[in-house]
Amino acid sequence: NAGVMQNPRHLVRRRGQEARLRCSPMKGHSHVYWYRQLPEEGLKFMVYLQKENIIDESGMPKERFSAEFPKEGPSILRIQQVVRGDSAAYFCASSPNQGLNSGNTIYFGEGSWLTVV
Amino acid sequence: AQKVTQAQTEISVVEKEDVTLDCVYETRDTTYYLFWYKQPPSGELVFLIRRNSFDEQNEISGRYSWNFQKSTSSFNFTITASQVVDSAVYFCALSVFNDYKLSFGAGTTVTVRA
Repeated sequence: NAGVMQNPRHLVRRRGQEARLRCSPMKGHSHVYWYRQLPEEGLKFMVYLQKENIIDESGMPKERFSAEFPKEGPSILRIQQVVRGDSAAYFCASSPNQGLNSGNTIYFGEGSWLTVV
Repeated sequence: AQKVTQAQTEISVVEKEDVTLDCVYETRDTTYYLFWYKQPPSGELVFLIRRNSFDEQNEISGRYSWNFQKSTSSFNFTITASQVVDSAVYFCALSVFNDYKLSFGAGTTVTVRA
């Protein structure tokens, strides 16, 4: 997990609040992915972003969830009006420009653990 | 659609025993990529290995070895002479050509007792 930085590591929110999770990819990586690890469900793809573009958000819940990767700064996963079911570990990953076809590998960050009380 | 099955939910061994983790995958693509990740109790996901479908060579890295068999769609992982620090959840994952999504197995929890 060489260099993908996520923060906060742990976040507690009350129902109805907003959660913002940040991810800085490895140096030189411009592809960012978010995965969610729900209890008893394993790791699931949520969204794939490149700078200023959402490439694939097919794994994102239709409501309350959004993601961005601005030209400057980290990628942000935003969850509005959190509910208890949003409690999970959220992992960010990054890969080099060419993606998986070119022999590259996805490296994950340490994860952000969201607890909704 | 891709599918990864890790049939073993939990494995418990005594230190110095060998442990093999099974991974069976399903895909219709002829070009694909297989991965193993380790998630220790601290929670981060640590990359262990990537294997391309056209490269069936087995690999050894220290006490870790991987056995890739296309004929049985399996990519098994063996830890030799296990140590307490090997205690973790191990995930097998699959991605296919021109895709970027990883399909993960459910994970196998390995507990190594001193």
